[in-house]
Amino acid sequence: AQSVSQHNHHVILSEAASLELGCNYSYGGTVNLFWYVQYPGQHLQLLLKYFSGDPLVKGIKGFEAEFIKSKFSFNLRKPSVQWSDTAEYFCAVNAKGTGRRALTFGSGTRLQVQP
Amino acid sequence: EAQVTQNPRYLITVTGKKLTVTCSQNMNHEYMSWYRQDPGLGLRQIYYSMNVEVTDKGDVPEGYKVSRKEKRNFPLILESPSPNQTSLYFCASSSYRDRGNGEQYFGPGTRLTVT
Repeated sequence: AQSVSQHNHHVILSEAASLELGCNYSYGGTVNLFWYVQYPGQHLQLLLKYFSGDPLVKGIKGFEAEFIKSKFSFNLRKPSVQWSDTAEYFCAVNAKGTGRRALTFGSGTRLQVQP
Repeated sequence: EAQVTQNPRYLITVTGKKLTVTCSQNMNHEYMSWYRQDPGLGLRQIYYSMNVEVTDKGDVPEGYKVSRKEKRNFPLILESPSPNQTSLYFCASSSYRDRGNGEQYFGPGTRLTVT
């Protein structure tokens, strides 16, 4: 079974600071990778996804993530955060070729951006 | 508007009193799933359904039941709720038209408190 680790549980940044959130997964096969964001009181929204091809993927709101297969990592980045980026961020993995289609989530990283 | 809806959004109940949380999607998705979200644990899958009348257990199915009699609806049933089922619940759906890539669309969540 796959598992996902997010090493930063709570990150506090000032506006305009750069962001990098770590995500590592463990699974022996091929995976699809996702980052979801949950704004306070709202449901999960997809930020970006990686299925195949270019390992650098760009998502909404200026976010990007890089898939490094050799490191089993899919870190999320943003060059300059805004106060409106305050939210909880979840990395998720889906093992390709399995019928269950379940997303395995990391425990989440709470990002607080101070004005 | 394409969406996943859940009702109720908030529910406080007592131990042992049967309850149902409804989930409905208007995207004609074949796949539907229930997750629970707990602090520090991320989201964990409870049950999923590949299509009408086809359901199966996820990672944490104990104490829950589901049914899938119609494609659009996937209710979550707690026959005898207990305090350890106090959590935030999310319904999600996806289509096989994405060729198994696993992207899921989430409902707004139901916050359940069992006293």
